[in-house]
Amino acid sequence: ETGVTQTPRHLVMGMTNKKSLKCEQHLGHNAMYWYKQSAKKPLELMFVYNFKEQTENNSVPSRFSPECPNSSHLFLHLHTLQPEDSALYLCASSGTINEQFFGPGTRLTVL
Amino acid sequence: QKEVEQNSGPLSVPEGAIASLNCTYSDRVSQSFFWYRQYSGKSPELIMSIYSNGDKEDGRFTAQLNKASQYVSLLIRDSQPSDSATYLCAVIVPDTGNQFYFGTGTSLTVIP
Repeated sequence: ETGVTQTPRHLVMGMTNKKSLKCEQHLGHNAMYWYKQSAKKPLELMFVYNFKEQTENNSVPSRFSPECPNSSHLFLHLHTLQPEDSALYLCASSGTINEQFFGPGTRLTVL
Repeated sequence: QKEVEQNSGPLSVPEGAIASLNCTYSDRVSQSFFWYRQYSGKSPELIMSIYSNGDKEDGRFTAQLNKASQYVSLLIRDSQPSDSATYLCAVIVPDTGNQFYFGTGTSLTVIP
C-alpha cells in the first residue's frame, strides 16, 4: 500500500452505534489530520496530531474522539452521532514541507 | 470573516481553452499556498504548491502568486474534459500553528 489509506470507505450507522474510522499513512510523515467535508462547505479541520501528540482540536463535539497510537496510524472513534454528522471524513498527512496528502475518505451516513 | 475565498462557479470553458481559477486570502503573513483538484466523490489531490511571488509552471498548470494583493490563481492551459473537477485553494496561516484553511472550491467543467 502506498500513500494514505482509510477504512472503511463507506459507513452507515444509527445514532446509538459506536464505530471507528481508521487511517494509515505510508509516507513517513510526522503529522496527521482529520477533516470533515460537507456539501457546499469548506473542508473543516477537526484534529491535528504532530509526532503522535494532539496539537489542534477545533471545537469538535465530544462524540468524536481521536486516537493516534503512532505516527503512521490515526483513528476517529464515533459514538451517539447525529444525522448532521453525515459527511465525508478525510484523513491527511504531511511531512516537513507542509504539503498535505489526503486519503480516499470515509463516506459516513448517520440514520 | 472567511480566510480563503473562491468563486464557487460553475466555470465552463471549451476544450483547448485556458481555464483561470482565482483565490483571495485574508491573512497577510501567509507564505504557503496550494491548489487541490477534487473529482466528484473523490478526495482532494495536490496539484500545485507555491511559496514565492510570481509564476510556477508544471505541465499545463501555472500557479500565480501576488502576496501584495493577497491573490493566488491557477491557470490550466489546453483544458481537457478530464480537468472537469472542483479546484480547492488552500493557505497556511502561520499564527494558527500552520493550520490549513481551504476555500469552498470552484467547480470547473470543460466542454468537449
